[in-house]
Amino acid sequence: EAGVTQSPTHLIKTRGQQATLRCSPISGHTSVYWYQQALGLGLQFLLWYDEGEERNRGNFPPRFSGRQFPNYSSELNVNALELEDSALYLCASSPTLGSYGYTFGSGTRLTVV
Amino acid sequence: LAKTTQPISMDSYEGQEVNITCSHNNIATNDYITWYQQFPSQGPRFIIQGYKTKVTNEVASLFIPADRKSSTLSLPRVSLSDTAVYYCLVGVPYNQGGKLIFGQGTELSVKP
Repeated sequence: EAGVTQSPTHLIKTRGQQATLRCSPISGHTSVYWYQQALGLGLQFLLWYDEGEERNRGNFPPRFSGRQFPNYSSELNVNALELEDSALYLCASSPTLGSYGYTFGSGTRLTVV
Repeated sequence: LAKTTQPISMDSYEGQEVNITCSHNNIATNDYITWYQQFPSQGPRFIIQGYKTKVTNEVASLFIPADRKSSTLSLPRVSLSDTAVYYCLVGVPYNQGGKLIFGQGTELSVKP
């Protein structure tokens, strides 16, 4: 069974640009979660999608947005990139709404220069 | 929300048993205790979950005393590949808006 896949693995952008990160959940999982892991700041919750709807978002500005497609894959968009957006962005999925066992992908390393 | 406290770092040698204790004094009645492992530049990996007493799987054991105010993750006979950050999480994601709330974790270093 394929795990959670994220693309690209690395992304380099210039300050002010937009970044798009993609995530494919495990087959059968309907919930997708996004986390940011910046150096020294730990894992911070960004967004939760389920059945195509945004269910919750963390304490991030509106320039962090996303969506979930009918096949349950998801996209995270970061507009007007700032240097401090440089981080590892992790996607996770779970089989049911807010269940305990989350499976994470390997992440997208975003570097803003 | 239950706050967790873990040692920031631990050192061990190959072949030893490692016990990482997590304190969660204000754990709620419905809360589960879950441990994740994270290697550098990878996403966290679910290790084990429990509610009370003892849970064991092929990777680790989890010991939870009767008052549930702490828990101990036990890794038998560690190897170099067990070097990672270990996170203790307490709660029910559905009651937390779907969030897993990660603390600072314990950085385990296994030496040869």
